[in-house]
Amino acid sequence: GEDVEQSLFLSVREGDSSVINCTYTDSSSTYLYWYKQEPGAGLQLLTYIFSNMDMKQDQRLTVLLNKKDKHLSLRIADTQTGDSAIYFCAESDYGQNFVFGPGTRLSVLP
Amino acid sequence: GAVVSQHPSWVICKSGTSVKIECRSLDFQATTMFWYRQFPKQSLMLMATSNEGSKATYEQGVEKDKFLINHASLTLSTLTVTSAHPEDSSFYICSAAAQMNTGELFFGEGSRLTVL
Repeated sequence: GEDVEQSLFLSVREGDSSVINCTYTDSSSTYLYWYKQEPGAGLQLLTYIFSNMDMKQDQRLTVLLNKKDKHLSLRIADTQTGDSAIYFCAESDYGQNFVFGPGTRLSVLP
Repeated sequence: GAVVSQHPSWVICKSGTSVKIECRSLDFQATTMFWYRQFPKQSLMLMATSNEGSKATYEQGVEKDKFLINHASLTLSTLTVTSAHPEDSSFYICSAAAQMNTGELFFGEGSRLTVL
């Protein structure tokens, strides 16, 4: 079946950039997503990218997609302590059949 | 963005009782809602897809009689954990698609169930 992989932990210093990587196996993925989960809370959609795009930027967030390598990344510029959370990569086929990665726990050090 | 609300956010119950969790789309209609379960430090596990006006579609390994799902209107889906036991203790999250063709999926705040 489809699989989405992420590294489980990432630590960065406040003010640095964070880059969270994700790989997926489903070549029919049409949408790829990044969700943020703070402790004890549900998931918050941060951004998503359509599979025919290479890059999407939204304020401090930059998403890069390499469709050939099935690699997705999320860059957070000027990382703040409030960015500490778990970040989930996910993919779907036109909004159906969502598959989530295991999540990357981002720790921002002062 | 679209808002999905879950209630209750935290519930503690005795073993053997049933617990109902509500998932509401507040500012949009959702023909399809999804129910997930999340174990500590793990990713989401899709339990079932809830379709308005029809029976839910359960994932393999999820007991239909244990986890009753009702999607009676375009803004409300409910998950009832029947005869709950301690192993049912978990974080349950719902999501709803505002526009299925764009793939946007919005999540509720989650409901933490603790069964004593």
